[in-house]
Amino acid sequence: EVQLLESGGGLVQPGGSLRLSCAASGFRFSSYAMSWVRQAPGKGPEWVSAVSGSGGATYYADSVEGRFTISRDESKNTLYLQMNSLRVEDTAIYYCARDLGGSCGGDCPLDYWGQGTLVTVSS
Amino acid sequence: DIQMTQSPSTLSASAGNRVTITCRASQSISSWLAWYQQKPGKAPKLLIYKASSLNTGVPSRFSGSGSGTEFSLTISGLQPDDFATYYCQQYKTYSSFGQGTKVEIK
Repeated sequence: EVQLLESGGGLVQPGGSLRLSCAASGFRFSSYAMSWVRQAPGKGPEWVSAVSGSGGATYYADSVEGRFTISRDESKNTLYLQMNSLRVEDTAIYYCARDLGGSCGGDCPLDYWGQGTLVTVSS
Repeated sequence: DIQMTQSPSTLSASAGNRVTITCRASQSISSWLAWYQQKPGKAPKLLIYKASSLNTGVPSRFSGSGSGTEFSLTISGLQPDDFATYYCQQYKTYSSFGQGTKVEIK
């Protein structure tokens, strides 16, 4: 059974940093591209970032480019999102999701999602 | 950026009804469109990809159609479990989602 379990969310002040983790199990992690998607309260989902199955290629939405860094550790079957220079508008539930395919770059459907972790940016 | 616009924002229907949700893209996305169902407090669930391909395990009462800039999701014979919010997603150029359509009980 495919499982994705996010952690690392919390309350942070504007300008602060957080690192989210997503532990994956139940599938060959290295064979799939992975994404982070966020959803602000009452809004539709927003794709944030993706990383290829090999980890060699990363992709970012304009809204987070230069502030967020996606990475993966194949030995731990874990996906990460390092978030720096956080803004109030980054407040959302952050989901990790599996891309429907290995050769994706933020341009695939997402067939499995975690339960999400809440990030609140507020002073 | 490709903008996705869904209509209606809210749809009131009864169990057993046939309902259709529309999604329009700001430019042609061929068939690179997916549909998701989301229930309160849960993550979105993939229903359909490539405009009309049913994801594994999704009931056949769900169907998708369209290409280019206009797409639709149809639920034939609404079940109690189907009352939820539905989102479309384009994945021709990165990804972007619609604002959602809430299907509520009439």
